[in-house]
Amino acid sequence: DSGVTQTPKHLITATGQRVTLRCSPRSGDLSVYWYQQSLDQGLQFLIQYYNGEERAKGNILERFSAQQFPDLHSELNLSSLELGDSALYFCASSVVMNTEAFFGQGTRLTVV
Amino acid sequence: AQTVTQSQPEMSVQEAETVTLSCTYDTSENNYYLFWYKQPPSRQMILVIRQEAYKQQNATENRFSVNFQKAAKSFSLKISDSQLGDTAMYFCAFMNMDSNYQLIWGAGTKLIIKP
Repeated sequence: DSGVTQTPKHLITATGQRVTLRCSPRSGDLSVYWYQQSLDQGLQFLIQYYNGEERAKGNILERFSAQQFPDLHSELNLSSLELGDSALYFCASSVVMNTEAFFGQGTRLTVV
Repeated sequence: AQTVTQSQPEMSVQEAETVTLSCTYDTSENNYYLFWYKQPPSRQMILVIRQEAYKQQNATENRFSVNFQKAAKSFSLKISDSQLGDTAMYFCAFMNMDSNYQLIWGAGTKLIIKP
């Protein structure tokens, strides 16, 4: 158990809908990262937060947004969902920005 | 821009054998970390080992060790006495410590340990 908690574990939704994925980082970790992993693909970096502030943006679509709250948990919002958004979405956290990241179990999103 | 290349899409070895997974990277930076992560069939991402670029000594974690060749920009992972539970995707990753600390990932190597 990495200590990073992601909910829900599985999500099935229809095209055009909006979903929110939640991540609770390890206790004491200030930095949160979001990644997308499509089937049999590597990890695509989406966005990074540090202590509530956005610090880096990767290949995140405009339909996607995220935030980190004062209690350091983070949410990834995906809207106007398309079939191609079906993937495993990982959250990772680290103590500060320059240490290794520990991953949650991921949320498997299926868009039908 | 930094890139990470894993040239072996898939490897398989017999249980108890030693296997080496290769990783090369491209960067002009001098201050960075390198990581190997393991993703078993459960899809959980698990940190295997970490190497700081400023350290000359190769990192070791039990049966896992790296061969870090900074000049050659090579970072291979050696798994000794391989076990069935080592079957997984292995990802090499690079983190620039002087920039935004974003992890740059290789495409992964699928490792199969045969009984």
